[in-house]
Amino acid sequence: KNQVEQSPQSLIILEGKNCTLQCNYTVSPFSNLRWYKQDTGRGPVSLTIMTFSENTKSNGRYTATLDADTKQSSLHITASQLSDSASYICVVSAGYSSASKIIFGSGTRLSIRP
Amino acid sequence: DTAVSQTPKYLVTQMGNDKSIKCEQNLGHDTMYWYKQDSKKFLKIMFSYNNKELIINETVPNRFSPKSPDKAHLNLHINSLELGDSAVYFCASSQVRTRGETQYFGPGTRLLVL
Repeated sequence: KNQVEQSPQSLIILEGKNCTLQCNYTVSPFSNLRWYKQDTGRGPVSLTIMTFSENTKSNGRYTATLDADTKQSSLHITASQLSDSASYICVVSAGYSSASKIIFGSGTRLSIRP
Repeated sequence: DTAVSQTPKYLVTQMGNDKSIKCEQNLGHDTMYWYKQDSKKFLKIMFSYNNKELIINETVPNRFSPKSPDKAHLNLHINSLELGDSAVYFCASSQVRTRGETQYFGPGTRLLVL
């Protein structure tokens, strides 16, 4: 069964600190993995996309890693800011045809405290 | 010049009513999607349309019917609304549903069924 699990479910850190969010997946055949940021009351916004051959990708203070062997991904946030408070969603695509599936994780709710 | 727009933003209605949610994208994308986000913030894909052809239907009730008058629009019609339909519905679009393609989400429509 294709699944995407994220941890922790929620996280509170102080402004300026770093943090790492985890994503484990059991998806086959793997196509790509994306991290989205969803602010409260808004739609998700793409942060990074990684395919099988990529093991790291950065977008400003966000760095995503992918280990296709262990089927794990992480999203590292450096020098957190108050605006980083949001839900972070890991999304994995399975298959390469037009009928490929998109599986969403339940997200990690990140709160940055001043 | 919003990329993906949805109307209405909020929708409160009685059980048993029929309602529609509209979505428009001005990105020139050829694939559009509808997602449902429940109270636990879990996003689940409902439909995907590519070139006016339905390519995913994730076992949603047939009370939900997507309608695409053209490539830039994908509306969601819901018949006989039920309490469990209360959720946030997101529209998204992408250019050709291939691996690594980014989806752009609308702001969401908050549906409350009383």
